[in-house]
Amino acid sequence: AQSVTQPDIHITVSEGASLELRCNYSYGATPYLFWYVQSPGQGLQLLLKYFSGDTLVQGIKGFEAEFKRSQSSFNLRKPSVHWSDAAEYFCAVGDNGFNKFYFGSGTKLNVKP
Amino acid sequence: GAVVSQHPSRVICKSGTSVKIECRSLDFQATTMFWYRQFPKKSLMLMATSNEGSKATYEQGVEKDKFLINHASLTLSTLTVTSAHPEDSSFYICSAPDRVNYGYTFGSGTRLTVV
Repeated sequence: AQSVTQPDIHITVSEGASLELRCNYSYGATPYLFWYVQSPGQGLQLLLKYFSGDTLVQGIKGFEAEFKRSQSSFNLRKPSVHWSDAAEYFCAVGDNGFNKFYFGSGTKLNVKP
Repeated sequence: GAVVSQHPSRVICKSGTSVKIECRSLDFQATTMFWYRQFPKKSLMLMATSNEGSKATYEQGVEKDKFLINHASLTLSTLTVTSAHPEDSSFYICSAPDRVNYGYTFGSGTRLTVV
């Protein structure tokens, strides 16, 4: 069965500092991996996704993520955080048949001025 | 790109009544629709997967008779919360695979409040 784990519930970083949000997945084959962001009371916005090919994926808003099969990880990074990045971030995993799609528990990002 | 339209965006209903939430795929055929529930400050919990023309597959712990899912056409899937109670108050979101763009398209969500 697929599953995805986000070990950090809350993270606080200073504006301008770098950011890394962790995501670990469990899946038998090559997963389809996603990162979404959700602002309070809003829907989900796709930041980036990985299916195959280059393991370093670039997304919107300056985010990137790296797929590491050996570590079953797909961590999200940003070199310099802006106050507007404060939100909830969800990692998600799907199968290549689009039969299931599961979310991690989420990481809430706070940004200090 | 693929768009899923979800209605209503907000609904308030009385305990004991039923509420229907619709998700329509506007420019593509959604043979599959995922239904999620999100509690405040929590993640999205997959409730069920509906497939056009067949019975929905429910995740463990989700009451089938409580959350009725219908996927009668390639462009419409509905979730009906039957005999709603205050504990059913939540944010419900649907999602359909976008196989062309290798992704998932989400509805805008429905905030259900049962009073």
